[in-house]
Amino acid sequence: GAVVSQHPSWVICKSGTSVKIECRSLDFQATTMFWYRQFPKQSLMLMATSNEGSKATYEQGVEKDKFLINHASLTLSTLTVTSAHPEDSSFYICSAQGAGLTFFGQGTRLTVV
Amino acid sequence: TQLLEQSPQFLSIQEGENLTVYCNSSSVFSSLQWYRQEPGEGPVLLVTVVTGGEVKKLKRLTFQFGDARKDSSLHITAAQPGDTGLYLCAGATSGGYNKLIFGAGTRLAVHP
Repeated sequence: GAVVSQHPSWVICKSGTSVKIECRSLDFQATTMFWYRQFPKQSLMLMATSNEGSKATYEQGVEKDKFLINHASLTLSTLTVTSAHPEDSSFYICSAQGAGLTFFGQGTRLTVV
Repeated sequence: TQLLEQSPQFLSIQEGENLTVYCNSSSVFSSLQWYRQEPGEGPVLLVTVVTGGEVKKLKRLTFQFGDARKDSSLHITAAQPGDTGLYLCAGATSGGYNKLIFGAGTRLAVHP
């Protein structure tokens, strides 16, 4: 079946640095990709919706200059957390949508120290 | 803003018991999905319900979509320790992108 691959699975970075997370749809073309953040013992909170070749649409309260999203192709979207701070530590999950179906990546655990 | 209220948030039961998880909203969704998530992993889709009043069964799991497509329930019969996990409902919004709005989740623990 369709698979969405997220990389890296986990990352530790220093405060003030930037981190890029990749989300790839491996065997289907994803016209739309979504980025979520999940804090411990909480549900998934939608951060932004990204469509190939256009600017991402951010949910209310999500800083677009801090969470840069690029969806350059139908199989790849990236989320860059810029100038990361400890409060950005979280589990980031992407999902890819194609042909009416939505599949989730395995998530990226980001720890900012 | 569309919201999904999921209850209960926590459920600790003994093996063999039955349970029901509820997902309610004041909004209408084009479809509703149920996921199960293990720690450190992404959610895995269990079922999608689309039609009001629809009932779907997946072994010991029964999913129901309300007639008005505003609420849904997940019923597990004779729960087993392997059912332990986080269960999430998610409503798909109508419109171009079909984005998912997630409920708060139900953390289920089934004890042997």
